[in-house]
Amino acid sequence: GEDVEQSLFLSVREGDSSVINCTYTDSSSTYLYWYKQEPGAGLQLLTYIFSNMDMKQDQRLTVLLNKKDKHLSLRIADTQTGDSAIYFCAETLYGNNRLAFGKGNQVVVIP
Amino acid sequence: DAGVIQSPRHEVTEMGQEVTLRCKPISGHDYLFWYRQTMMRGLELLIYFNNNVPIDDSGMPEDRFSAKMPNASFSTLKIQPSEPRDSAVYFCASSFHAGNTEAFFGQGTRLTVV
Repeated sequence: GEDVEQSLFLSVREGDSSVINCTYTDSSSTYLYWYKQEPGAGLQLLTYIFSNMDMKQDQRLTVLLNKKDKHLSLRIADTQTGDSAIYFCAETLYGNNRLAFGKGNQVVVIP
Repeated sequence: DAGVIQSPRHEVTEMGQEVTLRCKPISGHDYLFWYRQTMMRGLELLIYFNNNVPIDDSGMPEDRFSAKMPNASFSTLKIQPSEPRDSAVYFCASSFHAGNTEAFFGQGTRLTVV
């Protein structure tokens, strides 16, 4: 079944890279997503990766997918103060629109 | 489009009262989701609809919770009677099923039951 796990807290200095990790248990996942939640707001889609890809780069964001270990990571290069937020990974299964989210990882960027 | 619109933004109510949360999805989206977010449990999917029909309500915690979608542009989540443990932020999201599933979230309703 769906079970998405994330670590809870990351502190990073402005300008450094930050890496957020996520593990999932369902090997049938077709799409994996990273969402960002800023304080007092809903979630916004940052990026997604299809399960037949290993890597996706989108400007400062790099998503790595290790299907063997069911591990997903998000790297943010040149982290900015505006990147301070909670980051959620999520997955969907083929033919199923249900999004399963992890508990989220709070990133705090120190100026 | 203004995005997914939820109301109210904040609701404080007394235990035992009925609470109704409202959501207007993005026009043209055929999926609508209700989520609940708490510190302890993270983001939980309560129920979702496709073309106004409830597809999966297995996340609805108890019979005190009910959700309806009378038409494509409106949904409600009702809690009757409310309890303090229902205090959470409730999010509505909508999406258009076109391969990848980008869900667009509303701003949420922060519910406090005292």
